[in-house]
Amino acid sequence: GAVVSQHPSRVICKSGTSVKIECRSLDFQATTMFWYRQFPKQSLMLMATSNEGSKATYEQGVEKDKFLINHASLTLSTLTVTSAHPEDSSFYICSSGTGGLDYGYTFGSGTRLTVV
Amino acid sequence: KQEVTQIPAALSVPEGENLVLNCSFTDSAIYNLQWFRQDPGKGLTSLLLIQSSQREQTSGRLNASLDKSSGRSTLYIAASQPGDSATYLCAVSGYSTLTFGKGTMLLVSP
Repeated sequence: GAVVSQHPSRVICKSGTSVKIECRSLDFQATTMFWYRQFPKQSLMLMATSNEGSKATYEQGVEKDKFLINHASLTLSTLTVTSAHPEDSSFYICSSGTGGLDYGYTFGSGTRLTVV
Repeated sequence: KQEVTQIPAALSVPEGENLVLNCSFTDSAIYNLQWFRQDPGKGLTSLLLIQSSQREQTSGRLNASLDKSSGRSTLYIAASQPGDSATYLCAVSGYSTLTFGKGTMLLVSP
């Protein structure tokens, strides 16, 4: 089945630094990648949608200059949290559809970001 | 705007019980509905996908039903096991959107 590989699974960084999270589609071409954020005991909140070769579309309230998304190829999308602050600490998950809406969505294993 | 509600928020049952998790959504114009499982600190694992034209899907001890007109879906787990303990998320797919419920946290005790 379709697999989305997400790295790193866990990262701790200092305030003010930037962190990059990668999501790779291993056996399919991900023309679209979705990036979610999840707070403790809450559901997933869509942050942005990235499309290969074009600018990402951000949800209302999400700072595009803080959460930089790059989708330069059909198999790789990255989320960079710039100038991280403790309030950015969260669980970030990427997702992609394997065949449009007919086959549902596959999720990465998530990245636990802790900013100290 | 699509809204997805899951009931109950938490459920604790002894091993062996059959149980039902509920999901309701406000906009019936959906493409499909997907049930996921999430273990603590982990990503999401897809359990079942029901297309809008389907009524149910089955996988092992899991059965999911969909009543699109009434905006409801149920996930039935037969003969529950401690390994089933996790949070179960319902997600509804519309045109270019995927809306999640807040999940049901299930604990199956030995």
